Parts: sequence; C-alpha cells; structure tokens
Amino acid sequence: GAVVSQHPSRVICKSGTSVKIECRSLDFQATTMFWYRQFPKKSLMLMATSNEGSKATYEQGVEKDKFLINHASLTLSTLTVTSAHPEDSSFYICSARSGTSGYEQYFGPGTRLTVT
Amino acid sequence: QKEVEQNSGPLSVPEGAIASLNCTYSDRGSQSFFWYRQYSGKSPELIMSIYSNGDKEDGRFTAQLNKASQYVSLLIRDSQPSDSATYLCAVNPDNYGQNFVFGPGTRLSVLP
Repeated sequence: GAVVSQHPSRVICKSGTSVKIECRSLDFQATTMFWYRQFPKKSLMLMATSNEGSKATYEQGVEKDKFLINHASLTLSTLTVTSAHPEDSSFYICSARSGTSGYEQYFGPGTRLTVT
Repeated sequence: QKEVEQNSGPLSVPEGAIASLNCTYSDRGSQSFFWYRQYSGKSPELIMSIYSNGDKEDGRFTAQLNKASQYVSLLIRDSQPSDSATYLCAVNPDNYGQNFVFGPGTRLSVLP
C-alpha cells in the first residue's frame, strides 16, 4: 500500500520550454501532496504544498508563476516548470499524505530534469 | 525557526554491527517523527514513524523517542551493506500542520 508514482522519471528539455511532471497516488486518496526539489548531496527542499481543489501554498523564495502546481483530484497533482532554464535542472520529488491514516508522507520515485 | 539536526556523517559500521543514528529537534511541541532512507539518486523511503515516547521496533529497526530531551534515534541491528544510504529524520511540528521539517540526513556506510 501507499504507492506514489511520478512521470516522467527523467526528462531533458531545451531552455525556454515548459515541462510537466505528474504525481499520482495509486492506492490511496491523497488530500495533500507536496513538491520538493533536491540538489546533489543536499537535503530536500520543500517547494509547495497542495491540497485537492485549492491553490497551492508556496514556500518563501519559490516563484509560483514559474512552478505551476495543480491538484485537480485526490490522486493526481502536476508540477509544470515554465520557461525552464539550466538552473532549474534538479531532482524533483513529490510526496502524498492520505489524511485519513496517520501523518506519513509517501514519496514518488522522483523526476530528474535537465535543461540544456 | 523550527530546526532538525543530524550528524551528516559518514557513519561507518562493520557488517553485523548496530548502527545508531541520532536526530534532535528544536520545536518542543512536535508530535510525530519519521525516519526515511534514501539511496543515492533515489527518492526517500519511509522506514519508521513514531508518535509516543519510548521504543518502537520493526524488524531490524528500532526508533526511540524522548520528547523531554527533544531527541529521536534510529537503531539498525545486524547492519548489512544494503543498509548503506542516507537516513533522513523528519519532524511534524504539529498534527494539524502539514509540512514536515527534514534534517540534513546522516550518511551510513556499512562495511562488508
């Protein structure tokens, strides 16, 4: 139980293009999903928290117009990196919390984004 | 500011030994605590959650919580080379809030 998937697992895109990353909870309903990014050998950095049906809450310093988050259903959240630049290259990881069984967050496998 | 601290390591233990990983947190009102394992290039995987003072055992893993000392630890018995990874401590500041505070992680190396 508590499986979270992400797609794609790896993406390479050109500067200026947009990339959409999907996060799905496969066997539970996720009332809350979280988006993190992680640089090599660094810890997780929370970007935003999204609740189903409402606007995401972004952490300080994260540009909401650049990182668009949509949590349209209880099993799907998407992160769109708009007008990507090489400095956006990173490991993006989502996590999900069911809200009905404990406070654990379950992580997706991550998406490695490379912007050339 | 709520903080979670861990020794970054690397912590090296021989195969078969007990690995002890420690974590301290600053927010005395914190309610729930989690240990995640992260292999290089992979995402974190939940190992244990603990909510009450004392010990909680699951297979080779034991989580220990002492809220008075604001301290949570993870013991790994009979350590195996496959346990070599970074271990992240996460603290939920309150059970109404949603955001974990993660520690920087401790890198564990189990030597064969």
